[in-house]
Amino acid sequence: GAGVSQTPSNKVTEKGKYVELRCDPISGHTALYWYRQSLGQGPEFLIYFQGTGAADDSGLPNDRFFAVRPEGSVSTLKIQRTERGDSAVYLCASRARDRGDEQFFGPGTRLTVL
Amino acid sequence: QQPVQSPQAVILREGEDAVINCSSSKALYSVHWYRQKHGEAPVFLMILLKGGEQKGHDKISASFNEKKQQSSLYLTASQLSYSGTYFCGTSKTSYDKVIFGPGTSLSVIP
Repeated sequence: GAGVSQTPSNKVTEKGKYVELRCDPISGHTALYWYRQSLGQGPEFLIYFQGTGAADDSGLPNDRFFAVRPEGSVSTLKIQRTERGDSAVYLCASRARDRGDEQFFGPGTRLTVL
Repeated sequence: QQPVQSPQAVILREGEDAVINCSSSKALYSVHWYRQKHGEAPVFLMILLKGGEQKGHDKISASFNEKKQQSSLYLTASQLSYSGTYFCGTSKTSYDKVIFGPGTSLSVIP
């Protein structure tokens, strides 16, 4: 079946602009996670959704970052007033309700802020 | 608390064995192992929940020590396809967010 998909695969923007990154989880997966990964580092947790609600948003670095999942499926990560330090690969992962182990990762969106 | 991994990088010849360690100063609830190939998404290998647990499939296995402060990933008779960066991670519950370590780069050469 289809895996986790993320769009766009690459996004180049200018400092100060607004961007939206989209994640389509595996069908039926209730849990959805956003991470970001800088070069040479492990994925860094941003936010976790269980259904439509954010169960844990402790990883969002500041109030420029916001994420939604209005229907419990697709999620959008929104970044306002982008800064050069926001440049990274943004990864999305989903997990089945009854599987407390494997998170399935998408291919990521590479964000470059000029 | 982010786990610590060692070594940072390792180069192996095909057929050689490797061990990657993951540790924390505090007991971990669980240890997750993932492998990420260059430019690709991380792929789940296994999760260990209990102290003293050992798990494995094919030639990749892992252990979790009794105090739950260290886990080791064992790769035996390495193949070229094992190349990539291996991350360990931990979570408060097996359903929670994963806090990943910095990764171990493993390169298998012919």
